[in-house]
Amino acid sequence: KAGVTQTPRYLIKTRGQQVTLSCSPISGHRSVSWYQQTPGQGLQFLFEYFSETQRNKGNFPGRFSGRQFSNSRSEMNVSTLELGDSALYLCASSLGSASGGGYEQYFGPGTRLTVT
Amino acid sequence: AQKITQTQPGMFVQEKEAVTLDCTYDTSDPSYGLFWYKQPSSGEMIFLIYQGSYDQQNATEGRYSLNFQKARKSANLVISASQLGDSAMYFCAMREYYGNNRLAFGKGNQVVVIP
Repeated sequence: KAGVTQTPRYLIKTRGQQVTLSCSPISGHRSVSWYQQTPGQGLQFLFEYFSETQRNKGNFPGRFSGRQFSNSRSEMNVSTLELGDSALYLCASSLGSASGGGYEQYFGPGTRLTVT
Repeated sequence: AQKITQTQPGMFVQEKEAVTLDCTYDTSDPSYGLFWYKQPSSGEMIFLIYQGSYDQQNATEGRYSLNFQKARKSANLVISASQLGDSAMYFCAMREYYGNNRLAFGKGNQVVVIP
């Protein structure tokens, strides 16, 4: 079974631009979560989607948004990029459940975003 | 407030020896899950092991075992017979099922296995 895939793997953008990252979950997985990883803040939860609905959201500004499609693929968008948005963005998928409990998350390789 | 605490400095471990990585957590949620992930230098997070708060027995997965001490709010990872490929960052994470239901990670432990 194919793992979680993320595209692109590397990205360089300029301050003020916007960026869209893509995540394809493991087949059959309905839950997709996004995380930001930086050396200073560590791994921080961005949001989680389940069956095309945002089920949970972390403490990030509105510049960070996402969506999930009917095939469970998810995109994350960051508008008006700032230098501090430079990070590794990780996507994780899980079987998920209506109550959100239990299932381990499987991560993709990440997208390394550099904002200059 | 910090939910997951991993305070050990970077560790050097001799190949074939066992290593224990400490993790303490803080929650008032009666139902939660504890996870350990491995992140090699390539960046991908690899799921290792899961322990549910109601599980009576400690979880084991191959060379990985989780020493779950609920009263002490401790969930230490034990890696037996270390291999060179075990060199990585190791993250402890928790998900509170009645609370915010999101996965919260510790700062991680760096492990280097030496031959």
